[in-house]
Amino acid sequence: KNEVEQSPQNLTAQEGEFITINCSYSVGISALHWLQQHPGGGIVSLFMLSSGKKKHGRLIATINIQEKHSSLHITASHPRDSAVYICAVRSLLSGSARQLTFGSGTQLTVLP
Amino acid sequence: NAGVMQNPRHLVRRRGQEARLRCSPMKGHSHVYWYRQLPEEGLKFMVYLQKENIIDESGMPKERFSAEFPKEGPSILRIQQVVRGDSAAYFCASSRGGSRGHYAEAFFGQGTRLTVV
Repeated sequence: KNEVEQSPQNLTAQEGEFITINCSYSVGISALHWLQQHPGGGIVSLFMLSSGKKKHGRLIATINIQEKHSSLHITASHPRDSAVYICAVRSLLSGSARQLTFGSGTQLTVLP
Repeated sequence: NAGVMQNPRHLVRRRGQEARLRCSPMKGHSHVYWYRQLPEEGLKFMVYLQKENIIDESGMPKERFSAEFPKEGPSILRIQQVVRGDSAAYFCASSRGGSRGHYAEAFFGQGTRLTVV
């Protein structure tokens, strides 16, 4: 079982829809990242969370430490939101405290 | 303040050649991380460096791969005698040191896409 599991793997939505991407992890963490990657492009850090909720524009990220679960929400989705969204965790395990472990990503396509 | 700069963006090498990938961290960042993204796969940690020191290279292949982060200049990921299986996107991230118990956020570069022909 992977340490970081994302769902769904692929998501297609109509413009304007509310979107949720989920991330579950199996280890204790010090922080969780949500990242965005466009095809052939670089990686942009959207959020870093260790508790609670953060909001930036149309994006909202939440984390429940007890349940080892995080969600990324996109309100009023737009075709330019089409990208791969990646969840990554910073584990508390000794020896890995400085590296990120990544989920396999969620490919989001927003249709006009 | 420029972000994390990687170059080249695209690199083509023939089998057996050497590949050198460069990463200039954000200003004020002394920690550099290299990650590899194989085709159709997720990102995997390779190596974590601070200035002049390798802190964790547990994700680095034992042969042909090396990394450095000198006192002056960019961090270099070096792949000797490249093979087709080395074709991937290589991403660099950097962060500040962070104080005890506080984790400093890492910022990513645009990546270098290596193609071995």
